[in-house]
Amino acid sequence: AQTVTQSQPEMSVQEAETVTLSCTYDTSESNYYLFWYKQPPSRQMILVIRQEAYKQQNATENRFSVNFQKAAKSFSLKISDSQLGDTAMYFCAFMSPGGGTSYGKLTFGQGTILTVHP
Amino acid sequence: EAGVTQFPSHSVIEKGQTVTLRCDPISGHDNLYWYRRVMGKEIKFLLHFVKESKQDESGMPNNRFLAERTGGTYSTLKVQPAELEDSGVYFCASRDTGNTEAFFGQGTRLTVV
Repeated sequence: AQTVTQSQPEMSVQEAETVTLSCTYDTSESNYYLFWYKQPPSRQMILVIRQEAYKQQNATENRFSVNFQKAAKSFSLKISDSQLGDTAMYFCAFMSPGGGTSYGKLTFGQGTILTVHP
Repeated sequence: EAGVTQFPSHSVIEKGQTVTLRCDPISGHDNLYWYRRVMGKEIKFLLHFVKESKQDESGMPNNRFLAERTGGTYSTLKVQPAELEDSGVYFCASRDTGNTEAFFGQGTRLTVV
């Protein structure tokens, strides 16, 4: 079974600065997907960024980028030029792409509450 | 395009009562998932529908939980009888087959008193 660990329950950052959220995972699979989801105070989770394990290049989406270290099973999220609207709970998640009943099932970390201060 | 919607947004019930949560997925999404987050803990998988069929219900905690997906459209999750430990936020997500992105509803916060 896969496990996902987010070791930072809370983080804070000043507006316009950069912050990195950590995530580690454990799996015996060689191919999989990793995600960062954001849940603002309104509670609807939205996808921030996605990484396919077989791709060596780190994914980027505007101000959001990841540092994917497959050997170390690490998947951190970097938010550059932080904005007040980035304040949210961030969840790291793992998905096995293999066939079978587990496809599409997400395994989540515990979440990190990020607060962006003006 | 409408997103995933869940009803109700909040529910407070007494121990022993029955509650039914509803999820309307994005139209055309065959895959529907239920997850739950108990206070302070991680979000955990409950079950997965493909159309109207239960693909994986390995995360359902016990037989007090019953999920259905009528005609492969909306889904309901019934808790009967509710216990205190059932309190938490229940999330529904839907996904189009062939796409890895899951779209989440806003969640239903269930409080059992």
